[in-house]
This record gives sequence, structure tokens and C-alpha cells, in this order.
Amino acid sequence: GENVEQHPSTLSVQEGDSAVIKCTYSDSASNYFPWYKQELGKGPQLIIDIRSNVGEKKDQRIAVTLNKTAKHFSLHITETQPEDSAVYFCAASLYSSASKIIFGSGTRLSIRP
Amino acid sequence: EAQVTQNPRYLITVTGKKLTVTCSQNMNHEYMSWYRQDPGLGLRQIYYSMNVEVTDKGDVPEGYKVSRKEKRNFPLILESPSPNQTSLYFCASSTLKRTGVYGYTFGSGTRLTVV
Repeated sequence: GENVEQHPSTLSVQEGDSAVIKCTYSDSASNYFPWYKQELGKGPQLIIDIRSNVGEKKDQRIAVTLNKTAKHFSLHITETQPEDSAVYFCAASLYSSASKIIFGSGTRLSIRP
Repeated sequence: EAQVTQNPRYLITVTGKKLTVTCSQNMNHEYMSWYRQDPGLGLRQIYYSMNVEVTDKGDVPEGYKVSRKEKRNFPLILESPSPNQTSLYFCASSTLKRTGVYGYTFGSGTRLTVV
């Protein structure tokens, strides 16, 4: 079955700098890669997703890149702000199958003032 | 407001005492699922439901039961809770479009402690 590995487990960056979180997946059939942000005391919230027919997607300060050959995808946050502090989860699944979504272990991102 | 509502938010119980965590969504989503979150392990799926009366096991179903009698509700039942079920639980829902999955909406979580 699918396995998703996420690195690093913790990340601390200076406010205004960029943050990068990386994930690898094992099942070459996976074609949907969402990213979730979990703030303290709340449930995860979808922030961006990408399907395997594109290599990059951007939404303001957030971007996700996908390398299908290497089976890895990354989340990039530019110009980090204090409100970016949270736990981030990557996930992989077949787009047509909600039941098979597998999450990474999470990255705790801290933004230093 | 579109949301997934879980109750209770916090629960402390004793080993063996049956409990139910409720989950309700107001978005008419077909798909609902339960996850548990443990440090260093991310989110692991317990059970899921593709629609009313259709449920199936996820990756860690042992010790849990679910039912889906109505589209909006998906309760999680622990018949005989044990300390290893101490965790943070999330309910999630999603619409299943013809073209695929749109994305999960998660509840705010239920922190369960079994002593």
C-alpha cells in the first residue's frame, strides 16, 4: 500500500524567510497530493493540493511542486509570517478514491520573530 | 456555516466503559471518515463511509465501531476502551464528485483519555 514520508518533523525559520517541507510517496499510482495546515486546537485545513498532471501550483505565498519520476512533492512557503506557525501534513491518494488517502507524519513549523 | 461538528471536545473515561463520539456534517457530503492523531504518527484512518449504510475499515480499526444510518451523522463507538486508545480523534467529510475527491473538511477534534 501507499506510504508517505515527511521531512523535517520540526522546522524553525526566521520571519520573512522561506520554509520548505518535503514528502515522498511509494505508490506510483497516486495522483492527488493535498497539503493540510493544523493550527493549535483545531482540525487540519486544506491549504493547497496538486494533481499529477501538473508539476507546480501556486496560491499567493504558498506553492507545491511535484516530481512524479522521483515520487516526491514539496510545500514552499515564502515570506513567512507568524500566522504560518502550525503543523503541516502532506498526503497522497488516488484522486478518484477518497478512501485511500495516506497522510505524512507532520511538520511542526515555527516562525521566529 | 459549512462545518463538521464533533462532540465532545474532551473526554476522560475509564477502561471498559463504552463511549460514543458523535460527528455531524451539514454539507450533504457522501464520504465521512474517522482518524486518530498520535505524536510522530500523523493521521491514521480508523473507519470510513462512502454513503449511508456503507462503511469499511481503515488502517487501524481494531477496538472501534461505526455506523452510518443518516447521511449527516457518523458516530465512532468504543465498546470497551483501553488506554492505548488515548488519542486525538478527528472526523472528516468530503464530497465525491464524478471527477474525483474534492478535499476533506475536518472537525475540531476530540481529545480522549482512557485511564
